[in-house]
Amino acid sequence: AQSVTQLGSHVSVSEGALVLLRCNYSSSVPPYLFWYVQYPNQGLQLLLKYTTGATLVKGINGFEAEFKKSETSFHLTKPSAHMSDAAEYFCAVSLIYNQGGKLIFGQGTELSVKP
Amino acid sequence: SQTIHQWPATLVQPVGSPLSLECTVEGTSNPNLYWYRQAAGRGLQLLFYSVGIGQISSEVPQNLSASRPQDRQFILSSKKLLLSDSGFYLCAWRGKGGTEAFFGQGTRLTVV
Repeated sequence: AQSVTQLGSHVSVSEGALVLLRCNYSSSVPPYLFWYVQYPNQGLQLLLKYTTGATLVKGINGFEAEFKKSETSFHLTKPSAHMSDAAEYFCAVSLIYNQGGKLIFGQGTELSVKP
Repeated sequence: SQTIHQWPATLVQPVGSPLSLECTVEGTSNPNLYWYRQAAGRGLQLLFYSVGIGQISSEVPQNLSASRPQDRQFILSSKKLLLSDSGFYLCAWRGKGGTEAFFGQGTRLTVV
């Protein structure tokens, strides 16, 4: 069965500092991996995704993530945090061709950015 | 372009009352459809998914049911709401040949 673990339910950084949100997954077959962002009382917006190919993927708003198969990780980073990055971030895993391609989400990490 | 609509945005219902939340998708055909619930501090829990009209898969036993009467319409229902049904409900769709899922704006349900 697939699962996702996000380390740290709350992360706080200063404006301009590095953002690192951790995600580890469990899957019996090569998965597709995603990071989504959620602002208060809104739906989820896709930040970036890994399907196949290059293991370092770039997304919107300056975020990127690296797929490391040996570590079963897909950590999200951004070199310099902005106040507008404050939101909740979700890592997700999916098997596209099984079980309706459903996405399994981690518990989420709330990112706070201090001025 | 494709869009997804969810309504209502907020809903306050008494315990024991029925529930109907509707989700529709435009600009695509034969999508996979999903209902998720988000409770505070508990991430997103997949409730139901559907790969076609009338085809519903339930992920967790609960007080809720789902239906897909039309290709791009997904409905979440309950006959009698419980306090524990409170939460933020999100509908999503994914194209058969696609990778990521696209989410609606959600419905905040408060059962009182």
